[in-house]
Amino acid sequence: DGGITQSPKYLFRKEGQNVTLSCEQNLNHDAMYWYRQDPGQGLRLIYYSQIVNDFQKGDIAEGYSVSREKKESFPLTVTSAQKNPTAFYLCASSRLGTGIYGYTFGSGTRLTVV
Amino acid sequence: AQTVTQSQPEMSVQEAETVTLSCTYDTSESDYYLFWYKQPPSRQMILVIRQEAYKQQNATENRFSVNFQKAAKSFSLKISDSQLGDAAMYFCAYRIPLKTSYDKVIFGPGTSLSVIP
Repeated sequence: DGGITQSPKYLFRKEGQNVTLSCEQNLNHDAMYWYRQDPGQGLRLIYYSQIVNDFQKGDIAEGYSVSREKKESFPLTVTSAQKNPTAFYLCASSRLGTGIYGYTFGSGTRLTVV
Repeated sequence: AQTVTQSQPEMSVQEAETVTLSCTYDTSESDYYLFWYKQPPSRQMILVIRQEAYKQQNATENRFSVNFQKAAKSFSLKISDSQLGDAAMYFCAYRIPLKTSYDKVIFGPGTSLSVIP
């Protein structure tokens, strides 16, 4: 079955450490997105990519980095520059060309700083 | 800038009753799409229903229907015959067609729905 796989489900980061969250899709979608979810704040866009080797900053990109070397993969690195990284992270993908399809989401990664 | 507002942070409904979740949005676009997503305790985001702005007819999906008022920029979700499995966070969302390189879905802050047995 087609879908989006995020791993790991839970991730713990020590202070000053970089961590990478994985996102893989087999839906042949062109666009991929990373959102951060905090209680009471809905979803906030971190980065998005519409084509391989190209990506754009979202609303809260500081302290994060991404790559898009393959159409299927869009990993997110949370760097030590991100001062408050504890949150739930959602990856999504979408077709382009028409907006009616909305997003398909992964099951998320819960990141905790210890 | 486009924004999406959900004025009800929390709501509750008795099982088998009907509940309506409110959503308003701000846009200068005439052509766009609106969505309701459900996020149950598993935190998996699920698309509930979608509406194309150029369509006057309100979308329906089984027990879920919307009341789309384009002039008022309002997009409410009605859940009929509420079931325990409907308990979740509900997000209203807005998307513009790809006209420029800027294409994303904008989400509201969410409404937490509880279903009382």
